[in-house]
Amino acid sequence: SYELTQPPSVSVSPGQTASITCSGDKLGDRYVCWYQQKPGQSPVLVIYQDFKRPSGIPERFSGSNSGNTATLTISGTQALDEADYYCQAWDSGTVDFGGGTKLTVL
Amino acid sequence: EVHLLESGGGLVQPGGSLRVSCAASGFTFSSYAMNWVRQAPGKGLEWVSAISGSGGSTYYADSVKGRCTISRDNSKNTLYLQMNSLRVEDTAVYYCAKVHNYGNSFDYWGQGTLVTVSS
Repeated sequence: SYELTQPPSVSVSPGQTASITCSGDKLGDRYVCWYQQKPGQSPVLVIYQDFKRPSGIPERFSGSNSGNTATLTISGTQALDEADYYCQAWDSGTVDFGGGTKLTVL
Repeated sequence: EVHLLESGGGLVQPGGSLRVSCAASGFTFSSYAMNWVRQAPGKGLEWVSAISGSGGSTYYADSVKGRCTISRDNSKNTLYLQMNSLRVEDTAVYYCAKVHNYGNSFDYWGQGTLVTVSS
């Protein structure tokens, strides 16, 4: 299977920019999406096709994907952005998730 | 409004079987591939299985291949996952998820149903 690697945790101060990476072999050749999951809730899609935002997702969420690394960037991070974030890639009918990153806003 | 509602979770002994269901509404069910994704307690997301809109194509993670069968009834707008030979490590919340219009991601998720495999 295809391995996606994320840092277990990232910390950011309120109002600052948080960057969460997702690494995989030639990841830039695949579409990457990102999910936000808060405790006790189902995941929510925040970025799809590398950089596109679903309706209702704030503009402070952005994404990029090139080479072996995809990045989720949250600008002007707010306390309500504290959550687990998962990257996901798709290949030939199978789906791979990263291990998840816990974003702490402190 | 899209709504996905899982059911059928519960406690089952190792080696047992269980079928979980996902009732869908708010979209043309037969037009979209559907997936099952699970999450063990305190762990990350793990993709389990996918099925095309027609039901003609199915895909499985290696961890469940040969033990699980995904299916759908488009007349009932319902997705299923039949799980056999269950193991303790299958204990998880099982989510159904709808594939996004543009593919490659899941734009709607259900609330999940908990499957506990324990003696």
